Amino acid sequence: ELKVEQNPLFLSMQEGKNYTIYCNYSTTSDRLYWYRQDPGKSLESLFVLLSNGAVKQEGRLMASLDTKARLSTLHITAAVHDLSATYFCAVNFGNEKLTFGTGTRLTIIP
Amino acid sequence: DAGITQSPRYKITETGRQVTLMCHQTWSHSYMFWYRQDLGHGLRLIYYSAAADITDKGEVPDGYVVSRSKTENFPLTLESATRSQTSVYFCAGRTSGIGEQFFGPGTRLTVL
Repeated sequence: ELKVEQNPLFLSMQEGKNYTIYCNYSTTSDRLYWYRQDPGKSLESLFVLLSNGAVKQEGRLMASLDTKARLSTLHITAAVHDLSATYFCAVNFGNEKLTFGTGTRLTIIP
Repeated sequence: DAGITQSPRYKITETGRQVTLMCHQTWSHSYMFWYRQDLGHGLRLIYYSAAADITDKGEVPDGYVVSRSKTENFPLTLESATRSQTSVYFCAGRTSGIGEQFFGPGTRLTVL
């Protein structure tokens, strides 16, 4: 079965702190995507990771991919309130479709 | 701007009625997708299309019908709406190559 699991599902953190969201998937893939969704809005593409060891950074967010461990991480550095959102990872298992994780709802507390 | 538009943005209907959700793209995405988003389930794929006149089922296709006579349009029809189809529906298009999907603004559908 093609599965994508994220943890934690909910994350409340203080401004200025660092934290990591984890995305595990069930079988071989070297294509992983991270999206952000604000409440009541659509999904916005954040990162595209296309090979083992890929690392992408944008501002306080950094994503990485370890295809051997079937794991991607989204690291948040010195969180600010504007990063409050739900973050999804999605995996392409080689069939032109994406399988999404259930999302991590991140709340940054002042 | 990936140029995916959806209409209507909000729709309230009654059980048993037919409803069509529209999706239009201004880019030349070959692939297009319909998802539904429900609390606790993330996004689930309903149907997708590789090109005009080529469609295939996703994870949760029952109760839905799609067509794609033109590359730029990908309507989703609920033939006889049920309360369990109350959801937010997203249309997406995919770029070639890296497989990144771009999403439309969504349609919030309520079935009474």
